[in-house]
Amino acid sequence: GAVVSQHPSWVICKSGTSVKIECRSLDFQATTMFWYRQFPKQSLMLMATSNEGSKATYEQGVEKDKFLINHASLTLSTLTVTSAHPEDSSFYICSALRAGGHQETQYFGPGTRLLVL
Amino acid sequence: AQSVAQPEDQVNVAEGNPLTVKCTYSVSGNPYLFWYVQYPNRGLQFLLKYITGDNLVKGSYGFEAEFNKSQTSFHLKKPSALVSDSALYFCAVRGENTGFQKLVFGTGTRLLVSP
Repeated sequence: GAVVSQHPSWVICKSGTSVKIECRSLDFQATTMFWYRQFPKQSLMLMATSNEGSKATYEQGVEKDKFLINHASLTLSTLTVTSAHPEDSSFYICSALRAGGHQETQYFGPGTRLLVL
Repeated sequence: AQSVAQPEDQVNVAEGNPLTVKCTYSVSGNPYLFWYVQYPNRGLQFLLKYITGDNLVKGSYGFEAEFNKSQTSFHLKKPSALVSDSALYFCAVRGENTGFQKLVFGTGTRLLVSP
């Protein structure tokens, strides 16, 4: 199968600190990864598209200086929430795109719950 | 613009009965359609997809979905529901010409299977 991991699974931090979340594709290479945010009882909101070796593409309304994305290798993308505030508390989910023409599928990580105090 | 509608916030079904979770979509060009399931405090698990070919797609855990181009629908079905199927189900779509393979998700349908 296609396995995607996220670390940490949950994190509690103080307001003003930065938090880094890692997303790894364990058994396939992913040139493209996605970062989503999910609020309670809501759907997933795409934050940005991460492409290996290039700058991430952010969705409208998402602050790129606030949510730093680095896709340094074909199996790892990181999301850093800088100077976190309580309103950044959320469930962050990454996905990795397993490409291959018409067989492309996004496989999701288990999510990271962030609580900013 | 792409969009997905899941008209039901919640679907209730008794164990052993068939279930249907509805999804309609709007895209330009041919659609790529997906169903994912989410258990509490977990990420999404891929169930099945339609890219091309047979309109009836079979996926994980006994689920299947039927692509209906004329009705722009991709309803998720299972002949006999299990209590363990209780979860949140998301339908997603992207158009074939969409850059970066971005998916648009529906708002989700909570499935509750009672014993």
